[in-house]
Amino acid sequence: KQEVTQIPAALSVPEGENLVLNCSFTDSAIYNLQWFRQDPGKGLTSLLLIQSSQREQTSGRLNASLDKSSGRSTLYIAASQPGDSATYLCAVRLEGYSTLTFGKGTMLLVSP
Amino acid sequence: NAGVTQTPKFRVLKTGQSMTLLCAQDMNHEYMYWYRQDPGMGLRLIHYSVGEGTTAKGEVPDGYNVSRLKKQNFLLGLESAAPSQTSVYFCASSYSGDQPQHFGDGTRLSIL
Repeated sequence: KQEVTQIPAALSVPEGENLVLNCSFTDSAIYNLQWFRQDPGKGLTSLLLIQSSQREQTSGRLNASLDKSSGRSTLYIAASQPGDSATYLCAVRLEGYSTLTFGKGTMLLVSP
Repeated sequence: NAGVTQTPKFRVLKTGQSMTLLCAQDMNHEYMYWYRQDPGMGLRLIHYSVGEGTTAKGEVPDGYNVSRLKKQNFLLGLESAAPSQTSVYFCASSYSGDQPQHFGDGTRLSIL
């Protein structure tokens, strides 16, 4: 059974810092990996999707990397802003499956 | 620009009552999913559908039933609600299994 772990569970940083969120998974036979953002009381918003053949994806100040062999992905947020405060979740889809397995998320607080 | 709409947003039930949660998407997506989100447990897949008229079990299907009679709608039913089903329920949809999932804002369900 695929297990997805996110470390740290919570992170507090001052505005302007560059930061890295970590995601690890136990089964490296993945098809793709997605990073989501969840604001309090809201649903999830997809940020980046990395196919297993890709090493990284970028969108604005966000950069996600994928290392299948080591079972790891990182989400890099550059020049953090208070508006980045949210919970960030990663989710993995295994080859041959139609569904995602989610990590429990990292709660990020960016202080002005 | 509705995306994924969940009805109702909040509901309180008594143990043993039944109810149906409705999910509607206007993006012509083939795949639809029902998740529950609980503190400390993360997001867990209840049931999903890969097309009109199809359904499949996810990680935690017991106590729930689903139907996908129309492509745009995915219904989640609780036949006899139990306090353990108190949770936030999210519906999601995607064009295919390798495309990003789009989430609704959730239904907060309390069972007394």
